[in-house]
Amino acid sequence: AQKITQTQPGMFVQEKEAVTLDCTYDTSDQSYGLFWYKQPSSGEMIFLIYQGSYDEQNATEGRYSLNFQKARKSANLVISASQLGDSAMYFCAHETGNQFYFGTGTSLTVIP
Amino acid sequence: NAGVTQTPKFQVLKTGQSMTLQCAQDMNHEYMSWYRQDPGMGLRLIHYSVGAGITDQGEVPNGYNVSRSTTEDFPLRLLSAAPSQTSVYFCASSYSWRGRTDTQYFGPGTRLTVL
Repeated sequence: AQKITQTQPGMFVQEKEAVTLDCTYDTSDQSYGLFWYKQPSSGEMIFLIYQGSYDEQNATEGRYSLNFQKARKSANLVISASQLGDSAMYFCAHETGNQFYFGTGTSLTVIP
Repeated sequence: NAGVTQTPKFQVLKTGQSMTLQCAQDMNHEYMSWYRQDPGMGLRLIHYSVGAGITDQGEVPNGYNVSRSTTEDFPLRLLSAAPSQTSVYFCASSYSWRGRTDTQYFGPGTRLTVL
C-alpha cells in the first residue's frame, strides 16, 4: 500500500507569519497526484491545493503553495500570512490509480 | 448545485444491525468514493467507483458493500454492524479523465456509532 507520512502532529504559528506543514510519500508510480485538504473543527473537508507528478512548477493557490520535491518524495504545504481562521487539521493525500491515501494529519494552531 | 450530500448526519446502531449510508452528487462526476475517518488515522478509502456500474475496493473494504446504478448515487451498505465500524464516514466525488482522478469534493460526513 502507498504510504503518506505527516510527521508533525501539532504545529503553532504566530498570526501573519508563514508556516510549513510537512508531507512525504512513498510510491514507485510515475503518474500520481498530491493534494492538501483542510478540516476545521466543524468537520468538513476543504480542498486547498493540487500538484501533479509531471507538473514542473510548484502549485500555488492564494496564500497556499506546495513545495514539491519529487526526488525527495516530499510535498510540503506552505501557508503564508497565517490567519486565525487557518487553525484546523491539515491532511496530505496521494492519488494513484484512482485510489487516494491520506496522511494522519497535522493540527495547526494560529496564535494571535 | 447542492454538491455532495450525505444522509443521515448521525446514526446509532446495535451490533449486528444493517444499514445504508446514502450519498448523492449533482455535479455529474464520474468518480465517487467512501472513506472512514478514525481518530489519529486520517481518512481511509473503503470503496470507490469510476462510473455507473463500476465499483472497486479500497484500503479497508471488509464489512461494507457498494453499488453504483446511477451517476448521481453511491450508497454504502453495512452488512452486519460491529463496534469497530464506529467512525465518521465521508463520501466524495470528482471528475475522472485519462485514467486520473481530479480534486475530490467531500460531503459533510455521517457520524456512526455501533453499540
